[in-house]
Amino acid sequence: AQSVTQLGSHVSVSEGALVLLRCNYSSSVPPYLFWYVQYPNQGLQLLLKYTSAATLVKGINGFEAEFKKSETSFHLTKPSAHMSDAAEYFCAVTEGFQKLVFGTGTRLLVSP
Amino acid sequence: SAVISQKPSRDICQRGTSLTIQCQVDSQVTMMFWYRQQPGQSLTLIATANQGSEATYESGFVIDKFPISRPNLTFSTLTVSNMSPEDSSIYLCSVELRRGASTDTQYFGPGTRLTVL
Repeated sequence: AQSVTQLGSHVSVSEGALVLLRCNYSSSVPPYLFWYVQYPNQGLQLLLKYTSAATLVKGINGFEAEFKKSETSFHLTKPSAHMSDAAEYFCAVTEGFQKLVFGTGTRLLVSP
Repeated sequence: SAVISQKPSRDICQRGTSLTIQCQVDSQVTMMFWYRQQPGQSLTLIATANQGSEATYESGFVIDKFPISRPNLTFSTLTVSNMSPEDSSIYLCSVELRRGASTDTQYFGPGTRLTVL
């Protein structure tokens, strides 16, 4: 079965600093990978997805993620954090035909 | 993407009662999914609902506890039956959209926040 590991349940950055949220997956075949964001009291919004094309994937709100097969990683980055980026971020991988397996989530805290 | 709505957005229920959650999509979709997000936790898939067939449940979830209907391509319901405080969670529906050769992607509704007393 697929699994996703997100290191750090909480990440704190200052406004304007680099954001790095880590995600590692377990897969014996090239997976489809996703990052979702959940703002307080809201559902999940798709940030970006890896489709086995380009390894560097650009998403909404200035986020991007790089697929590294050798490291089985799909870390999410943003060069400069904004206060509005404070939210919960989930990495997910497909298992089988359509099932999504989610990581435990990382809460991003942004201080002024 | 798709516009997905859920009703109710939140509810507080008594132990032993049942609640039916509705999920409406603004376009026809084949695959709909129901997830549970327990407090402070990640999302866990409850079941996959295809129109015209029985829902497929994940390990740990059973139809008697979480009956699902999928009467057409834009609508589904999830019922949480005989509720206990352990059922207090956010319940989210999602739909899978496929655009040509694009990777299948799931889009989520806003969720239903359920509290069981």
